[in-house]
Amino acid sequence: EIVLTQSPGTLSLSPGERATLACRASQSVSSSYLVWYQQKPGQAPRVFVYGASSRATGIPDRFSGSGSGTDFTLTISRLEPEDFAVYYCQQYGSSITFGQGTRLEIK
Amino acid sequence: QVQLVESGGGLVKPGGSLRLSCAASGFTFSDYYMSWIRQAPGKGLEWVSYISISSTYTNYADSVKGRFTISRDNAKNSLYLQMNSLRAEDTAVYYCATFGYDSSGEFDYWGQGTLVTVSS
Repeated sequence: EIVLTQSPGTLSLSPGERATLACRASQSVSSSYLVWYQQKPGQAPRVFVYGASSRATGIPDRFSGSGSGTDFTLTISRLEPEDFAVYYCQQYGSSITFGQGTRLEIK
Repeated sequence: QVQLVESGGGLVKPGGSLRLSCAASGFTFSDYYMSWIRQAPGKGLEWVSYISISSTYTNYADSVKGRFTISRDNAKNSLYLQMNSLRAEDTAVYYCATFGYDSSGEFDYWGQGTLVTVSS
């Protein structure tokens, strides 16, 4: 089973700042099958980035995904108040696993 | 619009059984692989199972293999999860979701979830 480790666990930033969220895999993951989700309290997760770097429909271009192999990154160029939430990465290979999440909180 | 509505959650004793249902509308259910994902209170997401369009193929997380059974009824636009031999660690909100098996393996559309609590 591929283990995804997200860092940091919690990221405290202010609106307008840049956020960099990391997702490291225990084995190589095909870029085609790396997904990022945002989850807000009391809501189901929502796809933000799929295929490591493709934004889902309706996702603002301040969100960008990158990476390959075992290291992937979700970058938010300038934080808006609505961006503060928990973000999960997920891979699909022989099995399906999620990272433990990064909580992005307002500083 | 796409809607997934889970039901069937509740309080059950350890060793007991529960059957979850997910009613789909607003899209062609029989065109999609479907999946269950769970989230323990205050914890992260854990994939549970997925099923192919015609029910030919199913896959399970090791943590539920042999205890849970996923099924679907395309005529009723419904997805199910039969959960047997429940344990305290199965306590979670259970979400049904569409699964992009032939695309990027993403869970595109989610329901609002149903809470399963396993406790004596």
